[in-house]
Amino acid sequence: QLQLQESGPGLVKPSETLSLSCTVSGGSISTTRNYWGWIRQPPGKGLEWIGSIDYSGSTYYNAPLKSRLTISLDTSENQFSLNLSPVTAAETAVYYCGRHGVPRGTQLWASYFDFWGQGSLVIVSS
Amino acid sequence: QSVLTQPPSASGTPGQTVTISCSGSSSTLGRNSVSWYQQLPKTAPKLLIFHNNQRPSGVPDRFSGSKSGTSASLVISGLQSEDEADYYCASWDDSLNGHFVFGTGSKVTVL
Repeated sequence: QLQLQESGPGLVKPSETLSLSCTVSGGSISTTRNYWGWIRQPPGKGLEWIGSIDYSGSTYYNAPLKSRLTISLDTSENQFSLNLSPVTAAETAVYYCGRHGVPRGTQLWASYFDFWGQGSLVIVSS
Repeated sequence: QSVLTQPPSASGTPGQTVTISCSGSSSTLGRNSVSWYQQLPKTAPKLLIFHNNQRPSGVPDRFSGSKSGTSASLVISGLQSEDEADYYCASWDDSLNGHFVFGTGSKVTVL
């Protein structure tokens, strides 16, 4: 069974960099057709997709975040990471990592998130 | 700003059937599949339905999904107290070079 676990600072200052990692166990992040993504949820609000990366390192970003966002793979650690800079207080949220599943024979048009980490609360405050 | 619109809330008594709608557009549900997620309080979302109407292993068959045109629905049959949660639809959006979008979310209350 695939398991994902977020890690990183719980407090980030405004204008600085939010960095999170997601460690995957029970499977390889570099397996063909695997995509991996980040989703966030501000307190009391809905879900927002941040971006995803595929097994080859190709990235797909939410357009409003694109200029501040980097998602990368670390195959040696079986991890993928999120860097968002600079951040504002409005980006205080629970950040989830997840496997961005794509059914066989389809592409991202049929995708979904089938495995999720437990979430990591990141507070942006001075 | 989500481009998938859901009713803020829905409710029912135990045993009843509850339906949650998800309204999209030609760039979302008109061309792409829908997935549905259940989020219990203080927990990560859980996949309920993928590829419009497919249930992952372990999801009770009380949960069913459908899609027609630019709209989709999640039906919860035989409502149970443990179904009280937030529910989100989601889809790929072909606009803006492509991105994944979640619906606005619906809170289901079991009366």
